[in-house]
Amino acid sequence: GAGVSQTPSNKVTEKGKYVELRCDPISGHTALYWYRQSLGQGPEFLIYFQGTGAADDSGLPNDRFFAVRPEGSVSTLKIQRTERGDSAVYLCASSLRAQGASGYTFGSGTRLTVV
Amino acid sequence: QKEVEQNSGPLSVPEGAIASLNCTYSDRGSQSFFWYRQYSGKSPELIMSIYSNGDKEDGRFTAQLNKASQYVSLLIRDSQPSDSATYLCAVRGSSASKIIFGSGTRLSIRP
Repeated sequence: GAGVSQTPSNKVTEKGKYVELRCDPISGHTALYWYRQSLGQGPEFLIYFQGTGAADDSGLPNDRFFAVRPEGSVSTLKIQRTERGDSAVYLCASSLRAQGASGYTFGSGTRLTVV
Repeated sequence: QKEVEQNSGPLSVPEGAIASLNCTYSDRGSQSFFWYRQYSGKSPELIMSIYSNGDKEDGRFTAQLNKASQYVSLLIRDSQPSDSATYLCAVRGSSASKIIFGSGTRLSIRP
């Protein structure tokens, strides 16, 4: 597609439930990134994929968070046993390649609310 | 110490004046530097990137980089009400695999 697509745009879930957030990057972009942004804060790095593999998952806050990119294109961020503190906007970004000087193109985000 | 630090603002600037936004970073080996603009309720949009010391100009925007001082700035000339947004400074560190963002400076252009 022309841009980074994220679905759903909004997700409300109950505490303790499982959620999946989807990201469809720009066609041909090999690098894909997940960030989350809380109100009044900048985006916080979660995980980065180069192709199918997670090249850096150092930002995942705990083992309730997991992400996959099985075919090197679409990625899914999975959150188990959601907590109210997980409420944030989850942003996905892609770039042509991870190295080098290029910035990212962000999707419009998924606003997750845990009640 | 945060990896990328910005004054949270708000910074209020009269229309037509120059807005100056500043950022410092901690990783001396950082390679690439970016400014993103974020309107309320929207996702960040890349507006400037800079990689070497000095100034880079693009229209009304000028990015300035001083690696010795670990300092990046963004100047917006002839500020317009449409420039009112949060400006995020972002740095690709020495590991080069990810970009770290500051918490942003809220800019308000008053008519």
